[in-house]
Order: sequence, then structure tokens, then C-alpha cells
Amino acid sequence: GAVVSQHPSWVICKSGTSVKIECRSLDFQATTMFWYRQFPKQSLMLMATSNEGSKATYEQGVEKDKFLINHASLTLSTLTVTSAHPEDSSFYICSARRLVDEKLFFGSGTQLSVL
Amino acid sequence: AQSVSQHNHHVILSEAASLELGCNYSYGGTVNLFWYVQYPGQHLQLLLKYFSGDPLVKGIKGFEAEFIKSKFSFNLRKPSVQWSDTAEYFCAVNDYNTDKLIFGTGTRLQVFP
Repeated sequence: GAVVSQHPSWVICKSGTSVKIECRSLDFQATTMFWYRQFPKQSLMLMATSNEGSKATYEQGVEKDKFLINHASLTLSTLTVTSAHPEDSSFYICSARRLVDEKLFFGSGTQLSVL
Repeated sequence: AQSVSQHNHHVILSEAASLELGCNYSYGGTVNLFWYVQYPGQHLQLLLKYFSGDPLVKGIKGFEAEFIKSKFSFNLRKPSVQWSDTAEYFCAVNDYNTDKLIFGTGTRLQVFP
């Protein structure tokens, strides 16, 4: 089956630093990738839609200068949490839409803890 | 704005019991409907989906869901659960117009032997 690799799976950082999360489709091409955030006991919230070669589309209330998204190739999208603060601590999940049939596949998620 | 409601936050069952997890959405347009499952320590995986046609959809591992348009519902069912069904289940709706996938809050299912 199609695999989406998300790295790192767990990261702890100091307040004020930046953290980059990678989302790779290992065996398929994905023109569109999605980034979600999940707070404990809450739903997955869509943060942004990332399209290869163009600017990401952010959901209302998501700061694009804080959550930088880059989708430079058909197999890689990155989310950079800039100047992280404790309130950014959350579980971040990416998904990739397979080009050939538009099926969605999810990464394993990244638990971010900001101290 | 579209929303997805999952009424059962935590369900506890014994093996062989029947399961029904509720999912309602608020959107009058054309939608695609999904159930995803997340087993402990694993990725989200697609359980089943409805795009069009027969409103009773059969998925993997004996799960099925019925799309009832008049009730804006897409409940997940399984006649006889197993211990291995212990997981978090998410209902999701994809809005044709915006192409966004909106998730419910999830239902945690625990099945005891």
C-alpha cells in the first residue's frame, strides 16, 4: 500500500526555536498534501492545504507566518513551526493525495512539545 | 461552516457485541463521507467511504456504514466486534466545493475479551 512518511515522530524544543516537520509520499506522487493539528480529545483540524509548486492555502485562524509550508516537489511537503511557544504543543498530521486516483493517505503524525 | 458530530466519545464493549457509532454532518451540498480508524500507535487508515450509489457501504474488517441523506448521517456498524477493533474511529466529510476534509472529534472504542 501507499506510504506517507512523516518525520520526526516526536520532538521537544525550547520556546522561541523553530521546528521543521517533513511529510513524504514514499511510493507515489502527490500534488496536494494537507496538514492537520490535533489537540487532546479534539478533532483533527485542517490547518492548510499544500499544493506542489504554489503557495499553501491556510484555514481561517491559522497564522501563515508562523506555520510555514513548503511543497517543493511531488513527494515532499514541510511544515515549519517558527518561534514555537508552549501553546503550539500539539499533534500534527499530514496527508497526501495520490495523483493517480486522488486517494488520501496519512502520515503517522508528529508530537510537538514546546517547553 | 460544515461540521461533523460524533456523539459517542467513548464506547466500551465486550467481544461479539454489536457496534454502531453515530456520525452526523451539517452540509446540504454534495459530500463524500469517510470513516477512518487509528489503531494504537499506528497511522490513520481508511475504513470505508461513500461517494455515490448504494448508500450502504461495506468496508474492511467487517465494517459497514449507511448514508442516510435525509438525516445527514453516516453511522458506522459492525455486527460482532473483536478485541482487535479497539481503536479511535473518525468520521470525516469532504466538501466538493472546497475540497476540504472535515473530521469529527473521534470515538474511542475499547473492546474487552
